[in-house]
Amino acid sequence: GESVGLHLPTLSVQEGDNSIINCAYSNSASDYFIWYKQESGKGPQFIIDIRSNMDKRQGQRVTVLLNKTVKHLSLQIAATQPGDSAVYFCAENNNFNKFYFGSGTKLNVKP
Amino acid sequence: EPEVTQTPSHQVTQMGQEVILRCVPISNHLYFYWYRQILGQKVEFLVSFYNNEISEKSEIFDDQFSVERPDGSNFTLKIRSTKLEDSAMYFCASSSGTGKEKLFFGSGTQLSVL
Repeated sequence: GESVGLHLPTLSVQEGDNSIINCAYSNSASDYFIWYKQESGKGPQFIIDIRSNMDKRQGQRVTVLLNKTVKHLSLQIAATQPGDSAVYFCAENNNFNKFYFGSGTKLNVKP
Repeated sequence: EPEVTQTPSHQVTQMGQEVILRCVPISNHLYFYWYRQILGQKVEFLVSFYNNEISEKSEIFDDQFSVERPDGSNFTLKIRSTKLEDSAMYFCASSSGTGKEKLFFGSGTQLSVL
């Protein structure tokens, strides 16, 4: 079966620094990926997505990198702010009907 | 901004009782989903629903679970006879269904089975 895993369960960064959250996926057939942010007591909130025909996509303060060779996905957050503190999940899709979620990385932003 | 809404936010029930979790997906979306998250664990896929029928379901979604779209706006998840291990946060999600598109999630219903 598929597995989507994260290298680090917790990441602590200083406010203003850049954050990098990593994700490994195992299904080479996955062709669509999303990063979600989940704050305590809330549902996953879409941050950014990327399709397998791309290796990089940028949003506002966020960048997703996809390395299909090693099946690795990363989320970069520039100038991390206290409001970025949350759990971040990567999710992969290889059919139209369901996503597989990783275990999540908790990001702590220190003031 | 349109959003997925879920009710109730918290549900406490006795083991063996039936519960219905309710969701109002984004109005022009075509695909609907239920996911669940046991405390401290991954978000897990339960079921997807399109064109008034189940598209796909996971092994978790056994005969105790059912979904329904009773009208043009609501999407419900019913658990017929709850078990202790059904305690989890249940998330409804929807997507526009124009292909592989991002899921929009509701805030969830925290189900506690006693």
